[in-house]
Amino acid sequence: AQSVAQPEDQVNVAEGNPLTVKCTYSVSGNPYLFWYVQYPNRGLQFLLKYITGDNLVKGSYGFEAEFNKSQTSFHLKKPSALVSDSALYFCAVRDTGFQKLVFGTGTRLLVSP
Amino acid sequence: EAQVTQNPRYLITVTGKKLTVTCSQNMNHEYMSWYRQDPGLGLRQIYYSMNVEVTDKGDVPEGYKVSRKEKRNFPLILESPSPNQTSLYFCASSLSLGTANYGYTFGSGTRLTVV
Repeated sequence: AQSVAQPEDQVNVAEGNPLTVKCTYSVSGNPYLFWYVQYPNRGLQFLLKYITGDNLVKGSYGFEAEFNKSQTSFHLKKPSALVSDSALYFCAVRDTGFQKLVFGTGTRLLVSP
Repeated sequence: EAQVTQNPRYLITVTGKKLTVTCSQNMNHEYMSWYRQDPGLGLRQIYYSMNVEVTDKGDVPEGYKVSRKEKRNFPLILESPSPNQTSLYFCASSLSLGTANYGYTFGSGTRLTVV
């Protein structure tokens, strides 16, 4: 079965510093990978996706993600963090039967001023 | 505006009292799904629907029912709620998960407390 793992419950970073939120995946076949963000009292919002092509995917709000097939990783990155980036981030993979997206457990990002 | 609308946003109910959480999308999406979000567990799929009158169980369907009589609506029904169904619920839709380019559009969520 397809799965994703987010090894960190929380990531702390100072405003202006680069941030990385980690995600590793386990799939059979080609992975279709997604990142979503959840702000307090809001639904999940799409950030970016990897389907095929360039290993560096650019998304919303200045975020990007690097797909690494050899390390089975899809880490979310941003060169300079903002306090407003503080939120809950979910990595997801589409399952082989196209019946759902399978989500990780989420990583809380806290950006301090 | 293209969106998925859930109601209510917040609900407190008592054990055993039937309730329905509504979900409606205005994007003519074929696929709709319900998830619950619990701390440390992420999002888990409850039910999904590939099209009108086609529904199927997800990973945690016990205690829930759904229906898809119209393309736009996908209500979640709890016939006899129990405290372990206290959770944050999300409805999601997609044009088609069978095409690689589509992900989910989520509703704003329904926070349900069963006492």
